[in-house]
Amino acid sequence: RKEVEQDPGPFNVPEGATVAFNCTYSNSASQSFFWYRQDCRKEPKLLMSVYSSGNEDGRFTAQLNRASQYISLLIRDSKLSDSATYLCVVNNNFGNEKLTFGTGTRLTIIP
Amino acid sequence: DAGVIQSPRHEVTEMGQEVTLRCKPISGHNSLFWYRQTMMRGLELLIYFNNNVPIDDSGMPEDRFSAKMPNASFSTLKIQPSEPRDSAVYFCASSRQGKGGYGYTFGSGTRLTVV
Repeated sequence: RKEVEQDPGPFNVPEGATVAFNCTYSNSASQSFFWYRQDCRKEPKLLMSVYSSGNEDGRFTAQLNRASQYISLLIRDSKLSDSATYLCVVNNNFGNEKLTFGTGTRLTIIP
Repeated sequence: DAGVIQSPRHEVTEMGQEVTLRCKPISGHNSLFWYRQTMMRGLELLIYFNNNVPIDDSGMPEDRFSAKMPNASFSTLKIQPSEPRDSAVYFCASSRQGKGGYGYTFGSGTRLTVV
């Protein structure tokens, strides 16, 4: 079983719609969680961290369910510029900087 | 801050040749990571260093791959001899130790094609 699993998509969503991505992780001792965004032929960049209490950044909301080992990302009022691959990322040890990446979910926003 | 700097941006080489990828981390970051990204396997950690010392090289595919970090501002990833299956994008990233994955910054990557 992969450490971090995501639905690869692609998700093709009309502009203005709401879209949600899910991710599961296998290590119950995982400490910190992130969503990264990667544009075509670019490097991954941090989109947002994910906390148990949930966190929101504008149109983006991230949730963590430790009991189910499940992470989600919700994008409201999607824009054309949201088209990218979204990577679910986990760190298993706070003293260790190693990040484990999911293979990513590709999102295309359709005009 | 110039960010993480990788060179070259693109490399095309013939099978059997030696390839050297270079990385300059962000000043003050004492953790450095080499990742490889392919369509099939996504982003895979090859090796990471803390304070110039290799901590985890379990992701290095085989003896053809080697990495060094002679000082805090420079690292290399070498493939010798290269094979077509090594074709991928190689990313270097850096962070501050003890941040548990926060403050990670990637370089722009080196796109390697082995023909």
